[in-house]
Amino acid sequence: QQPVQSPQAVILREGEDAVINCSSSKALYSVHWYRQKHGEAPVFLMILLKGGEQKGHDKISASFNEKKQQSSLYLTASQLSYSGTYFCGTEIAGTYKYIFGTGTRLKVLA
Amino acid sequence: DAMVIQNPRYQVTQFGKPVTLSCSQTLNHNVMYWYQQKSSQAPKLLFHYYDKDFNNEADTPDNFQSRRPNTSFCFLDIRSPGLGDAAMYLCATSRGGGGAAEQFFGPGTRLTVL
Repeated sequence: QQPVQSPQAVILREGEDAVINCSSSKALYSVHWYRQKHGEAPVFLMILLKGGEQKGHDKISASFNEKKQQSSLYLTASQLSYSGTYFCGTEIAGTYKYIFGTGTRLKVLA
Repeated sequence: DAMVIQNPRYQVTQFGKPVTLSCSQTLNHNVMYWYQQKSSQAPKLLFHYYDKDFNNEADTPDNFQSRRPNTSFCFLDIRSPGLGDAAMYLCATSRGGGGAAEQFFGPGTRLTVL
């Protein structure tokens, strides 16, 4: 089952904040976040391995609620370079099989 | 720099004419993946390898085959491409580790079927 992301799309002005959610119907043991710009390959942002873990670098951070089978990505003081499609992803435990979430298109306007 | 390389970057083929896409890596990662990504969709896993152990997704069409002759190289063969196979094909590698390792992506091959 593919993780579902919300919102599907969001438009921001530079400097505004956004939250992208990733929700799974199956247990999540880890969550990965990637950003993909149009016509390019996905680029790794971060991995969260434990329930309750929070990570961040620059003004992008994420949290992982293992019990709720959810993860959220937080973008603060957004920049033009944040535009792209964000995917959460997870590996099905013990299989090396990887599945991406449905994706969230984010556009930052000047 | 260690990296994942895909060739060609753009491939145009005719309906039914076989194509082979290649992927090579200098990261010495155990796990290699092939994804298909259509416009406005998430990458969809076609195959993955852990070393030489091959895993085919249940819904990957029989038209798609893969080979991994050694750690560094992996190939995707599309035996009889149809119009619906036009997409970006992404190769990725990972050192494995139960979901704890990030994936490194190649730049992708954009396949056009005429």
